[in-house]
Amino acid sequence: DTGVSQNPRHKITKRGQNVTFRCDPISEHNRLYWYRQTLGQGPEFLTYFQNEAQLEKSRLLSDRFSAERPKGSFSTLEIQRTEQGDSAMYLCASSLVQGDTEAFFGQGTRLTVV
Amino acid sequence: RKEVEQDPGPFNVPEGATVAFNCTYSNSASQSFFWYRQDCRKEPKLLMSVYSSGNEDGRFTAQLNRASQYISLLIRDSKLSDSATYLCVVRRDAGKSTFGDGTTLTVKP
Repeated sequence: DTGVSQNPRHKITKRGQNVTFRCDPISEHNRLYWYRQTLGQGPEFLTYFQNEAQLEKSRLLSDRFSAERPKGSFSTLEIQRTEQGDSAMYLCASSLVQGDTEAFFGQGTRLTVV
Repeated sequence: RKEVEQDPGPFNVPEGATVAFNCTYSNSASQSFFWYRQDCRKEPKLLMSVYSSGNEDGRFTAQLNRASQYISLLIRDSKLSDSATYLCVVRRDAGKSTFGDGTTLTVKP
């Protein structure tokens, strides 16, 4: 499968625990994006990377959230001290840099905080 | 006010109908425009890009009006398989894309 891969697909965690999600983009894509989506809403931008550099971070992203892309390939999104309001689908997407190019999404990680 | 606004619907139409969705955006610096389709509990997938001159892909026609900051999607001869949520997407630069909350379409036999 050469698409965007996200792991795990589902995560249930207790409030206060830390969780980490992984995204493997399409191999030649140097841009990688994280979005969050809740029921009835469109995907909400969290952050994006070009290669290993984190170029933009949403103001919605509290200091409990951190993302990394250490070698410009896969990325991780960590949420510390999870809250019930963090329950959502976390979507990763990747694209090429140049031109008006499509972003391809992974199937997402569904987080439930209980 | 949201940066990208769509009528949430739902739109319930019979097979064969023509249906149109609208989207408005507030950031005049927006450069690229797209329609994505999202099936229930699946990831969004690109349906088509939207160009100033308007563009067509089979039964789907997209239009952009930069002066009015308005984007539309027209679906002709609706099929059952067109049932999905349609997301309007606006990109300011080559990075962040802003999604609308989507318009839900149900095509009925």
